[in-house]
Amino acid sequence: DGGITQSPKYLFRKEGQNVTLSCEQNLNHDAMYWYRQDPGQGLRLIYYSQIVNDFQKGDIAEGYSVSREKKESFPLTVTSAQKNPTAFYLCATTDRANYGYTFGSGTRLTVV
Amino acid sequence: QKEVEQNSGPLSVPEGAIASLNCTYSDRGSQSFFWYRQYSGKSPELIMSIYSNGDQEDGRFTAQLNKASQYVSLLIRDSQPSDSATYLCAGPNTGFQKLVFGTGTRLLVSP
Repeated sequence: DGGITQSPKYLFRKEGQNVTLSCEQNLNHDAMYWYRQDPGQGLRLIYYSQIVNDFQKGDIAEGYSVSREKKESFPLTVTSAQKNPTAFYLCATTDRANYGYTFGSGTRLTVV
Repeated sequence: QKEVEQNSGPLSVPEGAIASLNCTYSDRGSQSFFWYRQYSGKSPELIMSIYSNGDQEDGRFTAQLNKASQYVSLLIRDSQPSDSATYLCAGPNTGFQKLVFGTGTRLLVSP
């Protein structure tokens, strides 16, 4: 089955820790995206990548980092510089943006 | 920067009624739009795509695109309580590198 796997589903972070969220896809899509969603809010773009070894900042990249070493994988690291990381994180992929996205099931990150 | 705007709602309709959700956009060059349904605590699910002026129908759902007036709408016929969710409208930015999302409209269908 083709799809997007995000892990873990729930993640708890202590103050000052870096944590990495995983996003893996077997849809053979070129482009991958990370969004953040706060309760009752819309989607905000963190980073995106249209090709291996290249990525661009979105609207709220500060405190986050990404890598794209393989077509299938686009991990997101939430660094200690991100002061308010509690949110629902969504990974999405597409061949082209005008075809629409497919979303993963999301990771809910909570600071404890 | 292209903008996509939606009324946050909630839009309340009785079961069996037609729910009408609207979205306006600022980029006249936009060629395609998408409607996503998001249940509370879940990820968005693509339910309708529309690529040209006019109507696109799929079961109980109809998407309408009016490029002259720069709005997109989603009609849900025979609304069911299971349709209660937040509906996100999205269109590609200039250059088709990413989607720009509206903030979503919350729909409540009462039995």
